Amino acid sequence: NAGVTQTPKFQVLKTGQSMTLQCAQDMNHNSMYWYRQDPGMGLRLIYYSASEGTTDKGEVPNGYNVSRLNKREFSLRLESAAPSQTSVYFCASAEPVNTEAFFGQGTRLTVV
Amino acid sequence: RKEVEQDPGPFNVPEGATVAFNCTYSNSASQSFFWYRQDCRKEPKLLMSVYSSGNEDGRFTAQLNRASQYISLLIRDSKLSDSATYLCVVKKQTGRRALTFGSGTRLQVQP
Repeated sequence: NAGVTQTPKFQVLKTGQSMTLQCAQDMNHNSMYWYRQDPGMGLRLIYYSASEGTTDKGEVPNGYNVSRLNKREFSLRLESAAPSQTSVYFCASAEPVNTEAFFGQGTRLTVV
Repeated sequence: RKEVEQDPGPFNVPEGATVAFNCTYSNSASQSFFWYRQDCRKEPKLLMSVYSSGNEDGRFTAQLNRASQYISLLIRDSKLSDSATYLCVVKKQTGRRALTFGSGTRLQVQP
């Protein structure tokens, strides 16, 4: 059972480069989320999607865009990477009624 | 003020000890509460939900005090395998219904 799959697991970017982080879930969940985790900061919500076709900003959306391509997939795009976006990125999915969120293994992104 | 606050620790305890973590939340609209566990460089995983009446799962006991907006986690008979970061998590039932995480409390159980 794959659960939530994120790609890539590691990435190094130069300042100004763009990239897309991919996330897919096979649990038929309606809600999907992107978080970033920095030392001492806990997980902070970047964007979330309550259902297919809808997306909403979270706590730290600046510098990011998202696409809810279908019910399974929710991608996060960095249009022009900055060193401040060096972080670990986690995708998660949940069924609102049950509320437990399942996380992918994370993407460790370094922007130099 | 952060929406969810935790003592970052680290808590260094010997095997067999009892340890308690506390968490406060600021948004009274928060309706669901959880403890997640995160091992080093891994994804968070649900440890247990927290119910108003308090709940227990083996060596783990969670308590909620809505009046004080306070959540606790008690671990009895600590094991080496309990070493991890424990994240306090709240969720609102209206508006943005995403999980809000505390910054975590690190526990190190020593032999």
